[in-house]
Amino acid sequence: DTAVSQTPKYLVTQMGNDKSIKCEQNLGHDTMYWYKQDSKKFLKIMFSYNNKELIINETVPNRFSPKSPDKAHLNLHINSLELGDSAVYFCASTRSAGGGETQYFGPGTRLLVL
Amino acid sequence: DAKTTQPTSMDCAEGRAANLPCNHSTISGNEYVYWYRQIHSQGPQYIIHGLKNNETNEMASLIITEDRKSSTLILPHATLRDTAVYYCIVKPLETSGSRLTFGEGTQLTVNP
Repeated sequence: DTAVSQTPKYLVTQMGNDKSIKCEQNLGHDTMYWYKQDSKKFLKIMFSYNNKELIINETVPNRFSPKSPDKAHLNLHINSLELGDSAVYFCASTRSAGGGETQYFGPGTRLLVL
Repeated sequence: DAKTTQPTSMDCAEGRAANLPCNHSTISGNEYVYWYRQIHSQGPQYIIHGLKNNETNEMASLIITEDRKSSTLILPHATLRDTAVYYCIVKPLETSGSRLTFGEGTQLTVNP
């Protein structure tokens, strides 16, 4: 069984469109994340939710809106897509107790904005 | 979070040990050393972590110097599938929202 899954795997869309990518984890974790990996391969955190509450919100344009309907899901909605949004988006999850827990990553969603 | 310094790239022969160094001279007493790797086109994968003692698991060994200012990840018998970017990350203890700050990592290439 896939521990952290993301849909879609690939997403090609036009500038100005609105799109969502979804993440689900079946590990029973209580904390989930979104990371962005740009063309230069730098991985940067965007958001983190703990028990459905937003706890990390890096300097991300407000066109990006995460939503966590429950502890197992964290979705990312992007409004008015721009060329610079093209990247690979990774979801991750962890169990937050103790702070020393490892993060498990999904396979990534490759977004290309034309 | 403390900054880490890693070589940009390394090569290793298949079947030999791969030793990946990491400098973290500004590490704080409550910061762990974590290693993750990213195989091409896949999500990052946890390898191992430690605070001050050496650690070993089924994937690798982590050797942390006594002053904790540097560490080495050892893959004892590298295979072609170990070709990946390896990230050394230092991270403080946090209860929730514990973020990973990725640097540029080391591109390890295992050659046949």
